[in-house]
Amino acid sequence: QVQLQESDPGLVKPSQTLSLTCTVSGGSISSGSYYWSWIRQSAGKGLEWIGRIYTSGSTSYNPSLKSRVTISMDTSKNQFSLKLTSVTAADTAVYYCALQLGYFDYWGQGALVTVSS
Amino acid sequence: EIVLTQSPATLSLSPGERATLSCRASQSISSYLAWYQQKPGQAPRLLFYDASNRATGIPARFSGSGSGTDFTLTISSLEPEDFAVYYCQQRTNWPPMITFGPGTKVDIK
Repeated sequence: QVQLQESDPGLVKPSQTLSLTCTVSGGSISSGSYYWSWIRQSAGKGLEWIGRIYTSGSTSYNPSLKSRVTISMDTSKNQFSLKLTSVTAADTAVYYCALQLGYFDYWGQGALVTVSS
Repeated sequence: EIVLTQSPATLSLSPGERATLSCRASQSISSYLAWYQQKPGQAPRLLFYDASNRATGIPARFSGSGSGTDFTLTISSLEPEDFAVYYCQQRTNWPPMITFGPGTKVDIK
């Protein structure tokens, strides 16, 4: 059974970079034909797909966030990561990492990120 | 971008009643639709994929149907644990894009 766990950056200041890591257990992020995704949920915008990385390392991003997002993977640690630059209060949300087989079959528990000075 | 609209926003029902939730896409998405259930403080849980395929462990009182632009999630007889928020989600392969509907809250009448 695959399990995902987000790191907890907590508070991020406006204009800074939000960094999150998802640690995967029960499966290898570099094997199979899977997508490893980031999704966020805020009161104002509901659930929003941020982007994903394939087991090969190729990435896809939501066009609305593409200029500010980078998703990468560290196969030695079985982790994948999210960086979101130039954050504002609008980026305050619960951030989830998820495994997409066809759809989002497995989710982390979520990490609340607050953007505030 | 494909927009998903869910109705109603809130559904107030009693245990044992039937719940019918709607999800409409702004253009045809064939059957590339999923349904999720979310309870407070939890991540969403996959209920259905490709519109009508029940995910592992989902009770038979849940059913999904539809194709093209109109989709329905039905709960035949509500159990206490079914009161939650339900989201639909679509995926397109090229360009890759995923969007969610705004959700329908099923609460106790």
